[in-house]
Amino acid sequence: DGGIIQSPKYLFRKEGQNVTLSCEQNLNHDAMYWYRQDPGQGLRLIYYSQIVNDFQKGDIAEGYSVSREKKESFPLTVTSAQKNPTAFYLCASKSTTTNEKLFFGSGTQLSVL
Amino acid sequence: QKEVEQDPGPLSVPEGAIVSLNCTYSNSAFQYFMWYRQYSRKGPELLMYTYSSGNKEDGRFTAQVDKSSKYISLFIRDSQPSDSATYLCAMRLDFGNEKLTFGTGTRLTIIP
Repeated sequence: DGGIIQSPKYLFRKEGQNVTLSCEQNLNHDAMYWYRQDPGQGLRLIYYSQIVNDFQKGDIAEGYSVSREKKESFPLTVTSAQKNPTAFYLCASKSTTTNEKLFFGSGTQLSVL
Repeated sequence: QKEVEQDPGPLSVPEGAIVSLNCTYSNSAFQYFMWYRQYSRKGPELLMYTYSSGNKEDGRFTAQVDKSSKYISLFIRDSQPSDSATYLCAMRLDFGNEKLTFGTGTRLTIIP
């Protein structure tokens, strides 16, 4: 089965803790994205990467970090500097050569303890 | 003022009805328009993708773009309970631009 796997489905963060959300894709897509979804707000772009070992900040990158060491993987770390981390986090990927369709994972709900 | 405005609903209609979902936007430079469907606690999936003004039809779904009014619509004909979901509009400035601007989503329930 091809797709995007996000894990875990639910994650809890303690005060001052960094947590990492996993995103893996086997679609052979070059571009990968992290979005944050809050109630009453549209999806907002955190970070994106178009090629391995390169990534760019989105609209709300503060308090987050990413890495892109492999084409298949784009983990997101929510650092202690992110003061309001509770949200639904969505990873997505896209081919940069064929079409504009974004494929999304099933999301990770992050909550603060 | 948000760049993209979308009525959050909730919107409830009986099965078989025609559903109309809408978004307005303020940036006239948007050229690419999309509609995504999102089931509860799942990732969005692309339903319709249109460029510039005009209509596009795919099965029971029709996307309409009116750039002069900065207004886009999604129509669902013969609505089914399986259409119950949140519908998000999204738009992009130009091809290859990585930034999608999303509406807040409209929560739709189709009543059997």
